[in-house]
Amino acid sequence: SQQGEEDPQALSIQEGENATMNCSYKTSINNLQWYRQNSGRGLVHLILIRSNEREKHSGRLRVTLDTSKKSSSLLITASRAADTASYFCATDGIQGAQKLVFGQGTRLTINP
Amino acid sequence: NAGVTQTPKFRVLKTGQSMTLLCAQDMNHEYMYWYRQDPGMGLRLIHYSVGEGTTAKGEVPDGYNVSRLKKQNFLLGLESAAPSQTSVYFCASSPRGVGVGSNQPQHFGDGTRLSIL
Repeated sequence: SQQGEEDPQALSIQEGENATMNCSYKTSINNLQWYRQNSGRGLVHLILIRSNEREKHSGRLRVTLDTSKKSSSLLITASRAADTASYFCATDGIQGAQKLVFGQGTRLTINP
Repeated sequence: NAGVTQTPKFRVLKTGQSMTLLCAQDMNHEYMYWYRQDPGMGLRLIHYSVGEGTTAKGEVPDGYNVSRLKKQNFLLGLESAAPSQTSVYFCASSPRGVGVGSNQPQHFGDGTRLSIL
C-alpha cells in the first residue's frame, strides 16, 4: 500500500504564481523527501526534511513537515515553465525496512 | 559524470520471453534499487540490494529476479514475461539506506520502457 498520498493529483497554474502540493503519510517516519520527475526522465531529488525539522528551504522551494498530522507540503514560489513536472513525496516508513515508499505524485503544469 | 545508467531504454517482448535489464552506477554507492512505475500507482519497489552480493525483496517481487555480482551493477531479470509486467522500470542508487541517521537521496536512471505483448 502507498505510504504517501499527494494532493492534488494535478495542478495547473500560470507562470509566476506559487504552487503548493501536499503529501500525507500513515506511519512514523525518520525523514521525508521530495522528488521531481520530468516527462520521460528519472526522478531527481529536491529536498529532504527530517522528522525533527518543521520547515526547510532550497532556492524557490519551501517544504514543511507536520508530524502530528503526518503531512508535508511543497511550495514552489514564482513558478516557471521549467517547473512543469510530476512531484513525488517519499517516506522511509517502517524503521529498518531500508526502503523509500513513494506517493502517486502531483502533476504540475505551468502555463506561460 | 554518468551517474545511473540503464540499458536498454526501450524493449518490446512477447509473452513468455525472458530478458535482463542492466543498471550501472559510477558513484560507488552501496545501495541499489529496482522500481516499476505504472500510471496512477507511483513507484513500487521490486527488489533492492544493500551491498555487493546481497539482494532483498521489495513490495512487488513476484516474477522478477535480481543479482548484484559487482558493486556497480544491479541486474533485473524477467524469466517469463507477462503482459502485467508492461511498465517503466527505474533503477536507483544511494550511498546508504534509509532510516535513522540517513540523509542520503536516491539517484535515479532515466528508465527502461518495457512492453509485453
